[in-house]
Amino acid sequence: GQQLNQSPQSMFIQEGEDVSMNCTSSSIFNTWLWYKQDPGEGPVLLIALYKAGELTSNGRLTAQFGITRKDSFLNISASIPSDVGIYFCAGQISDDYKLSFGAGTTVTVRA
Amino acid sequence: NAGVTQTPKFRILKIGQSMTLQCTQDMNHNYMYWYRQDPGMGLKLIYYSVGAGITDKGEVPNGYNVSRSTTEDFPLRLELAAPSQTSVYFCASSYSPSYNEQFFGPGTRLTVL
Repeated sequence: GQQLNQSPQSMFIQEGEDVSMNCTSSSIFNTWLWYKQDPGEGPVLLIALYKAGELTSNGRLTAQFGITRKDSFLNISASIPSDVGIYFCAGQISDDYKLSFGAGTTVTVRA
Repeated sequence: NAGVTQTPKFRILKIGQSMTLQCTQDMNHNYMYWYRQDPGMGLKLIYYSVGAGITDKGEVPNGYNVSRSTTEDFPLRLELAAPSQTSVYFCASSYSPSYNEQFFGPGTRLTVL
């Protein structure tokens, strides 16, 4: 699979904060997906992006498909305690059935 | 609509034992996938299928086998379990390879001792 670099690896949030994370690749992708995984569960799709420059929102979540097609960003606005979990980016190269996944960003509430 | 279901939820195996992880989807998706997830890592593709009767290897297929006799079911077989196969296994399905929004099952946590 293609190498995806996801950062940061982990972050601490305080309720009400805006947070952001990103994913970069050395390859050009035609699809970017963002998933969230809660402990003991499977990943759940948050946002799908199919076009360079596309900006898509899902409630307090906003994701962008980078203009170079080699990166994507996810922002969470006004974070709440249930935003904790692991966020994964995934990308797909044209004409390939397979997704490549980043290693994930773990979001934790700051004590 | 149950989506993607997986059984069992947890399993402990001894080295050398075999088992089948079950996966079923009720969304009439042609494309199905098996991943493993190790701590701190992303998901690694084991095998995938583009339709009944058609399967192909992913990144990490060694030690596993699959079959796809129906659209709904995509079982994953471990023949000779090894400690390196201790992991969480996820099955996923999608409608189209072009708009490849994959829907995941709840996972099977496997420990090989």
